Amino acid sequence: DTGVSQNPRHKITKRGQNVTFRCDPISEHNRLYWYRQTLGQGPEFLTYFQNEAQLEKSRLLSDRFSAERPKGSFSTLEIQRTEQGDSAMYLCASSLFTGDVEKLFFGSGTQLSVL
Amino acid sequence: KQEVTQIPAALSVPEGENLVLNCSFTDSAIYNLQWFRQDPGKGLTSLLLIQSSQREQTSGRLNASLDKSSGRSTLYIAASQPGDSATYLCAVRVQGAGGSYIPTFGRGTSLIVHP
Repeated sequence: DTGVSQNPRHKITKRGQNVTFRCDPISEHNRLYWYRQTLGQGPEFLTYFQNEAQLEKSRLLSDRFSAERPKGSFSTLEIQRTEQGDSAMYLCASSLFTGDVEKLFFGSGTQLSVL
Repeated sequence: KQEVTQIPAALSVPEGENLVLNCSFTDSAIYNLQWFRQDPGKGLTSLLLIQSSQREQTSGRLNASLDKSSGRSTLYIAASQPGDSATYLCAVRVQGAGGSYIPTFGRGTSLIVHP
């Protein structure tokens, strides 16, 4: 068990540029979640996948945001035409959902700074 | 919409004190509740998970209780240590707009334990 891995750890970009983050979940986990966290706030739900299917998206996920999980393994979160308001920590979590107990495991996050 | 509130927002105590952190939620139809710890600039580490059918869970110096009828959970930390300094977050799994159960976070309690 190597845990949930997120890359890069930090990303600095200029406003208007596109950025992509990657999340590698724990290998046997079938669910993968994306959250966004700003300073002093709790994580806010963005979207989640069960295997390769994207089952729910938050209203926070504007049309500039897109997430994929091809083949139900790693996931990518892309932000197009970044804005300063996108600056935040982007957190990924995975879980093994069996219809009973579901426990989330988080990665270390990707800190995005938009200049 | 489920609202999750954590009180107090910040807490500073001397080493050795027993602590109670509170998490309240507005909708009692929850699936489970999970307590996390977050160190500055890091991801979240799971502490305890309580299913909706359970009343409490214990791990070492930590004890979490759940009272669905009053919409409350408490995290009890016994004999606090400087290493316990972190932000403590609770996440309540509630039904989202798409019908899935989505973990919804409070803003957290920032704890400082002085030597």
